[in-house]
Amino acid sequence: AQTVTQSQPEMSVQEAETVTLSCTYDTSESDYYLFWYKQPPSRQMILVIRQEAYKQQNATENRFSVNFQKAAKSFSLKISDSQLGDAAMYFCAYRRRQGGSEKLVFGKGTKLTVNP
Amino acid sequence: GAGVSQSPSNKVTEKGKDVELRCDPISGHTALYWYRQSLGQGLEFLIYFQGNSAPDKSGLPSDRFSAERTGGSVSTLTIQRTQQEDSAVYLCASSTPGRRTSGVPYEQYFGPGTRLTVT
Repeated sequence: AQTVTQSQPEMSVQEAETVTLSCTYDTSESDYYLFWYKQPPSRQMILVIRQEAYKQQNATENRFSVNFQKAAKSFSLKISDSQLGDAAMYFCAYRRRQGGSEKLVFGKGTKLTVNP
Repeated sequence: GAGVSQSPSNKVTEKGKDVELRCDPISGHTALYWYRQSLGQGLEFLIYFQGNSAPDKSGLPSDRFSAERTGGSVSTLTIQRTQQEDSAVYLCASSTPGRRTSGVPYEQYFGPGTRLTVT
């Protein structure tokens, strides 16, 4: 089965500190995209960061960076200098392509709380 | 520019009634997706449209669910004879293919969702 596992249902971090959210996935594809999406209470899914599997360099977007370990099928998200606005559900996902179709396969999410 | 829009934002319906959920994708996006998010869960794929190709309906949970995309743009998700287990947030997304040759990365852009409550 091709799945995404987020082993931390909830995480908390102090404002200005660093937190890492874990994600592992299983796919038989060799070329794929990985994503972290943020979903605040407003329900809007917001792309945080993406990684193309063929790129060895880890993606970074300002305070957000990933640790992509292709062989281990691991894709963790590091949030540095955490801010109150970072509090949200975070979903890890990969793009699955099969038979002319495609979709995002999501993990169940990690609820991040940022404490002032 | 305008993002993906969905209507209604919230819908409360009685068990057994039919409902229609609407999605307006970003102009020019050829791919459109529907997902369902049940309480405390991740997103579950429902259906995928790409241009004029036959849609991938493999994620629809029952034959009470159907979707269409008219003119390659607006999409409607219809749930017939709603059941309480259909209560969820229904999210729509659209995308372009994303091409490395042009440096355009792949991304799905999501709408704000429709919260469906079946009483």
